[in-house]
Amino acid sequence: KQEVTQIPAALSVPEGENLVLNCSFTDSAIYNLQWFRQDPGKGLTSLLLIQSSQREQTSGRLNASLDKSSGRSTLYIAASQPGDSATYLCAVKPISSGSARQLTFGSGTQLTVLP
Amino acid sequence: DADVTQTPRNRITKTGKRIMLECSQTKGHDRMYWYRQDPGLGLRLIYYSFDVKDINKGEISDGYSVSRQAQAKFSLSLESAIPNQTALYFCATSELSGADTQYFGPGTRLTVL
Repeated sequence: KQEVTQIPAALSVPEGENLVLNCSFTDSAIYNLQWFRQDPGKGLTSLLLIQSSQREQTSGRLNASLDKSSGRSTLYIAASQPGDSATYLCAVKPISSGSARQLTFGSGTQLTVLP
Repeated sequence: DADVTQTPRNRITKTGKRIMLECSQTKGHDRMYWYRQDPGLGLRLIYYSFDVKDINKGEISDGYSVSRQAQAKFSLSLESAIPNQTALYFCATSELSGADTQYFGPGTRLTVL
């Protein structure tokens, strides 16, 4: 059974710092990996999706990398801002046929960017 | 207007009561999902539906049932609520093809006393 782990559970940084969030998974047979942002009172918003054949994806100040062989992904946030404060979750989709291809989520990293 | 809406947003109920959580979407997606989120456990899949005639159990379906009334509506029911069903519940949708990115509703916070 796929297990997804995110460490640390919480992180606090001063504004302007570059930071890295970590995600590890136990089964490397994945179809893709997604990073989501969760704000209180709101649902999850997809930030970046990396297909299994890709090494990284970038969107603005965000860069996500994927190393399937080691079962790891990182989300790099450049020049952090207080508005980046949220919980960040990663989720993996397995290589399975039909309806078995469902997401497994990590428990998230709660990020606080201090002004 | 939000693409995926959930009602109610908050609900407090008592053990043994029947509860229905509703989800509607305007994205035109065929696939819909129900998840629950507990502190420190991430999101876990309860049920999912790939079209109106297709319903599938997820990882933690015991104690729950669902109804796909139309392409745009997917309801989750707790027939007899119990305290360990206290959680944050999310509905999500995705397209049939492509990267299958999921789009989430704002969530329903359910408390069972």
